[in-house]
Amino acid sequence: DIQMTQSPSSLSASVGDSVTITCRASQSIANYLNWYQQKPGKAPRLLIYTASILQSGVPSRFSGSGSGTDFTLTISSLQPEDYATYYCQQSYSTPARTFGQGTKVEIK
Amino acid sequence: QVQLQESGPGLVKPSQTLSLTCTVSGGSIGSGGYYWTWIRQHPGKGLEWIGHIYYSGSTYYNPSLESRLTISADTSKNQFSLKLSSVTAADTAVYYCARVRVAPSDYFDYWGQGTMVTVSS
Repeated sequence: DIQMTQSPSSLSASVGDSVTITCRASQSIANYLNWYQQKPGKAPRLLIYTASILQSGVPSRFSGSGSGTDFTLTISSLQPEDYATYYCQQSYSTPARTFGQGTKVEIK
Repeated sequence: QVQLQESGPGLVKPSQTLSLTCTVSGGSIGSGGYYWTWIRQHPGKGLEWIGHIYYSGSTYYNPSLESRLTISADTSKNQFSLKLSSVTAADTAVYYCARVRVAPSDYFDYWGQGTMVTVSS
C-alpha cells in the first residue's frame, strides 16, 4: 500500500497568514494527488485534484503543487472559514485509495 | 447538483452485520464515468477508504475489510449499499458515501453528510 504522510500534524496561524501543508507519498504517485478540507461534524470537501487543479467554487487563495512523492497545499491568506483539517489523498494505486493522517489548522 | 444521503441503523450489536444505504439524487449511478464509494472515519481519526462499485457492478474493496464486506447497487432506486459482517467496536465510525469522478485521475467530488454507526451491545 502507498502510505501518505502529512506534515505538520497541526499548526496555528493568524488570519492573513500564508500556510503551507506538505504531503509525502511512500512511492511515486505522479500527480495523482487530491486535497480535501473537513470542518468539525461535516463531510470532507474537495479542494484540489490532480495535484494542482482547483475544484470549481474553491477560492483562489488555495493552491496545490508537486509531483512524484512530494506535494504541498498552500493557503495564501488564511481566512476565518479556513480553520479546518486538511487531508491529502492518492489516487495512483488502484483500487485502494489512501489518505494522509490530516493537518489541523487552528487559530493563533 | 449531485446529492448523496446515507441511511441505516445508528447502533449495531457486535458480531452482527452493519447495513447502510446511500441514495443518490441529481445523477444516475447507472451512467459511466463514476465510481460510488464508501469511506469511514473513526472518532477523532482520519479517513479510511472502504470500497467502491462501478456502474457495471464491478466492485473494489479495501483488502483489510474484504472478507467481511459487500457493496452492491440498485440502479432502479439509484442507491448503493454497504454490508459489513461480524462487526466489532473497531467498526464504530462515521460512514460516508461519495462519488468518485474517474479518469484521468480520480477524486471524491461529492459526499454525503455521513452517518454515525456505533457497535455496542
